[in-house]
Formats: sequence, C-alpha cells, structure tokens
Amino acid sequence: EDQVTQSPEALRLQEGESSSLNCSYTVSGLRGLFWYRQDPGKGPEFLFTLYSAGEEKEKERLKATLTKKESFLHITAPKPEDSATYLCAVQAGRINKFYFGSGTKLNVKP
Amino acid sequence: SAVISQKPSRDICQRGTSLTIQCQVDSQVTMMFWYRQQPGQSLTLIATANQGSEATYESGFVIDKFPISRPNLTFSTLTVSNMSPEDSSIYLCSGATGTGGTTYEQYFGPGTRLTVT
Repeated sequence: EDQVTQSPEALRLQEGESSSLNCSYTVSGLRGLFWYRQDPGKGPEFLFTLYSAGEEKEKERLKATLTKKESFLHITAPKPEDSATYLCAVQAGRINKFYFGSGTKLNVKP
Repeated sequence: SAVISQKPSRDICQRGTSLTIQCQVDSQVTMMFWYRQQPGQSLTLIATANQGSEATYESGFVIDKFPISRPNLTFSTLTVSNMSPEDSSIYLCSGATGTGGTTYEQYFGPGTRLTVT
C-alpha cells in the first residue's frame, strides 16, 4: 500500500539547536517529493520539490535531501519563527495522485 | 508558482444548510484539488476539479454531498450540502502546475474554516 510516514510527530528544540525531520515513503513510480510548512489556521506553504535520490535543496535554514526510501528536512540553528507544522507529500503512480504525511509539529523555544 | 485565494475565510452555518466555497488562482493551473483538514490532522483529498467536466471524487466523498464546479482554468467552487456538525473542518483548495515532465507542484489557498452548529 502506498503511504507516507513522518517522524517525529512533534519536536521541541531550543533556539540554535539543529535537528532533522524524517519523511519515509513506500510508493511506486515516484514523480516528486514535496515539503510544505503550515502555520496554524493557514494553508500549507510550498517549500521544496525533490525529484530523485541524491538531490538536495536549500532555503535559508532548511535543507531537504532525498534517498530512495526517505527524505530529511534538516533545520540548522532554528529560530522561534521556524515553529510550524512541516508536511511531506509525494506524487506517485497516477499523474494526479498525491500522498500526504501526517506532519511534524516543530516548536522552537527562544 | 501560483497564488490562491479562497472565500469565505470562515463561516458558521446551521445544520441542513449548504455553503459554497470559492477558489481563485492568479494564473492558469493544470489541476485543482479540494481537501479537508481536521485540526491537528493531515490533508484528506475530497476530489480533483476538472475543467469543463465532472469532478473526480475520492472514496468516501460523493457528488451529491460535495458538488464541485470548475468553469475555467483559474476558478473552482466546492459546495458542502445539507451540512451536519461532522462537516466542521478546514477546507483547502490547491492548484497544481507542471514542472516539466510529469511532476506537478501544488500550491494551497489559505483555507476556509467551517463550523456547523
């Protein structure tokens, strides 16, 4: 069964304490893996698209990497404004089939 | 990329009534989707809105309950019909654009928070 699993469910960090969020997937025919940031009461905000294993993308304190089974979102020296829920999604199989993970809720304390 | 707006941003409705949510995209997108998100939960796809034809619904969602229109490439509506408290949720619209090949990036609207009393 195609699915996307994110871990941990929640993560509390001190400001400046780097860490990683995990997104593992079991799908056939990966077309792309996506990371989103979602703030409370808002729609998901697009961050990255990764297409194939070995690919990396960076944006400010965030770096996304992709292997054949999982993706990591590395957060370097996070700040309180990085607090949000981070969602992972994959597009696979049918061209309009997207699978979303349940998200990791990140809380960065000053 | 695409910028997506939704109206209304929130509403409180009586059970048995219907609400239509509008979704406007600032540029033409290949696909448009409607999702539902319960607080603290991930996204559940309701349907793919097809331009000029009937929407494609996911298992558990039916046209009579969630009629969808997409008259052109930048606009869609979702109606939540004969509402019950179980329909209380956040409804999200998204538009997907191609990146070359068969990969599509989705961009989301801000959501419509619906409360049914």
